[in-house]
Amino acid sequence: AQTIHQWPVAEIKAVGSPLSLGCTIKGKSSPNLYWYWQATGGTLQQLFYSITVGQVESVVQLNLSASRPKDDQFILSTEKLLLSHSGFYLCAWSLGTGDYEQYFGPGTRLTVL
Amino acid sequence: AQSVTQPDARVTVSEGASLQLRCKYSYSGTPYLFWYVQYPRQGLQLLLKYYSGDPVVQGVNGFEAEFSKSNSSFHLRKASVHWSDSAVYFCALSATSGGNYKPTFGKGTSLVVHP
Repeated sequence: AQTIHQWPVAEIKAVGSPLSLGCTIKGKSSPNLYWYWQATGGTLQQLFYSITVGQVESVVQLNLSASRPKDDQFILSTEKLLLSHSGFYLCAWSLGTGDYEQYFGPGTRLTVL
Repeated sequence: AQSVTQPDARVTVSEGASLQLRCKYSYSGTPYLFWYVQYPRQGLQLLLKYYSGDPVVQGVNGFEAEFSKSNSSFHLRKASVHWSDSAVYFCALSATSGGNYKPTFGKGTSLVVHP
């Protein structure tokens, strides 16, 4: 069975500090991977997607970056956090090119002060 | 361009009542459609999906949805809700042709079930 793990569960960070969030998928080779941001109130915003190792496409510009250093790992980062980065970050995977359902991780709650 | 509209930001029902959550989509081709549920402080979970065939699809926990191409809709229904169904429900669309890596989500409908 496939499992998706996100770390950390929650973070409280200062404005201007760096950030690194991680996501690991086990039990599935070569998945498509996605990062989403969810503001308070619930609207989902897709941030990045990746269909293969080393290849990441940006969907929106939010002063964040993403990398896929391994087939089963997706990293979201920034060198300088903004207040607007606060929210809930969700990682997801799917089998194919967007035609398939997505499987979401448990999320990371980020509070920027 | 594709879009998903969930016109009701919040729906309140009593336990045992029937439920319909509305979803309208815009897409020129044949869409793949999904309903997801998000419980507080958790990720999204798939409730059901429609790819083709019978327009009424069954999901988990007694949920079903009906696809209507003529109305561009994919409404979610449940005959009798339970207080544990309180959550946020998202309708989503994916393109049928390869190369589109941006699944489109609606803004979500918050369901509150009163005991």
